[in-house]
Amino acid sequence: AQKITQTQPGMFVQEKEAVTLDCTYDTSDPSYGLFWYKQPSSGEMIFLIYQGSYDQQNATEGRYSLNFQKARKSANLVISASQLGDSAMYFCAMREFNFGNEKLTFGTGTRLTIIP
Amino acid sequence: DADVTQTPRNRITKTGKRIMLECSQTKGHDRMYWYRQDPGLGLRLIYYSFDVKDINKGEISDGYSVSRQAQAKFSLSLESAIPNQTALYFCATSWTSGADTQYFGPGTRLTVL
Repeated sequence: AQKITQTQPGMFVQEKEAVTLDCTYDTSDPSYGLFWYKQPSSGEMIFLIYQGSYDQQNATEGRYSLNFQKARKSANLVISASQLGDSAMYFCAMREFNFGNEKLTFGTGTRLTIIP
Repeated sequence: DADVTQTPRNRITKTGKRIMLECSQTKGHDRMYWYRQDPGLGLRLIYYSFDVKDINKGEISDGYSVSRQAQAKFSLSLESAIPNQTALYFCATSWTSGADTQYFGPGTRLTVL
């Protein structure tokens, strides 16, 4: 069964510092994808970054990078040079790529607050 | 204009009422999904659809029904709303192939009194 664990319910980070949001996952399927979403206070879910289980390199998208450690089953999100607009809830999610499984399993999220 | 839109954005209703939440997309994606978000529980899948003729139950489909009226439209109905269906509801879309990244609409905040 799929499972996502985010152990940091909340984090406070000084503006311009880098921040790492933790995510560990559990799956027995060799083919899967890992996703990070941002949910600001306005409520929408914004896709940030994707990492496939067979990808050899860590994914990067602008200030976002995913520290993928397959053996440890971790997929931490790294935000470089944090900004006030980064304050939001962040969700890690996973989907196993097997036929008939359409469920994107979400963690419980981490609330990130950037301090000026 | 937003690629995935949801109407209404907010709704307050009473127990026993029938409610329909609508989702439209202009992304051209073939797959559409309905999720609900409860505090502390993340998002959970209610229903999903691969195309107009293919509807599938998710992990929490009891008390809900859906209709895929067209490739771009997917509606969620609560036939007889109850208070524990109070939640934030999201529609999402994706392609069939590749990473199948799901793109979410802005959400509908539903309160059942």
